[in-house]
Amino acid sequence: DQQVKQNSPSLSVQEGRISILNCDYTNSMFDYFLWYKKYPAEGPTFLISISSIKDKNEDGRFTVFLNKSAKHLSLHIVPSQPGDSAVYFCAASVVNRDDKIIFGKGTRLHILP
Amino acid sequence: EPEVTQTPSHQVTQMGQEVILRCVPISNHLYFYWYRQILGQKVEFLVSFYNNEISEKSEIFDDQFSVERPDGSNFTLKIRSTKLEDSAMYFCASRDRGITGELFFGEGSRLTVL
Repeated sequence: DQQVKQNSPSLSVQEGRISILNCDYTNSMFDYFLWYKKYPAEGPTFLISISSIKDKNEDGRFTVFLNKSAKHLSLHIVPSQPGDSAVYFCAASVVNRDDKIIFGKGTRLHILP
Repeated sequence: EPEVTQTPSHQVTQMGQEVILRCVPISNHLYFYWYRQILGQKVEFLVSFYNNEISEKSEIFDDQFSVERPDGSNFTLKIRSTKLEDSAMYFCASRDRGITGELFFGEGSRLTVL
């Protein structure tokens, strides 16, 4: 049962352009969403999060958008930089109820020179 | 910057052997987790631990798995009798009480079962 879906296994974007990573979820109880970034041979690192009471959260080059009616969120990176090449995991949780975070399968982002 | 540390970084074991993976969470964190990632697949939740007991576990976390916080600093995952399909990268994570959902992960322990 895939509650968090990242349908694009990989994405290539030119350096300096916008990277858009998409994520869909099926569990309407999810109320907190996160993006993690993972380099090879390292653990995932937290990037940005958004509560379900918001539809946008911005932190520097990273913006997460949440569309609750569509059960969809996206991560925008602009401008994309070479160091952004990594696997990005979308994750979701039900705050104060389930003590776990459910991850998607990840999208590998390649930033092209 | 405080970090979650895991040992060993890589362990190779024979099928049927017991394995213990060790983690030192960030010192003031209260919630502890194990996740795993089979090569090329998603990061899967195994178990969460709070107040010296398991708070949640997944279907993967069967009787062959156990967790322990033996001394207030270490958090261990034991696999009693390893199977080939247990080969994966195992990630320990921890979080503070007040920070919603923001898990801090260790670098992982790669387990190879032969």
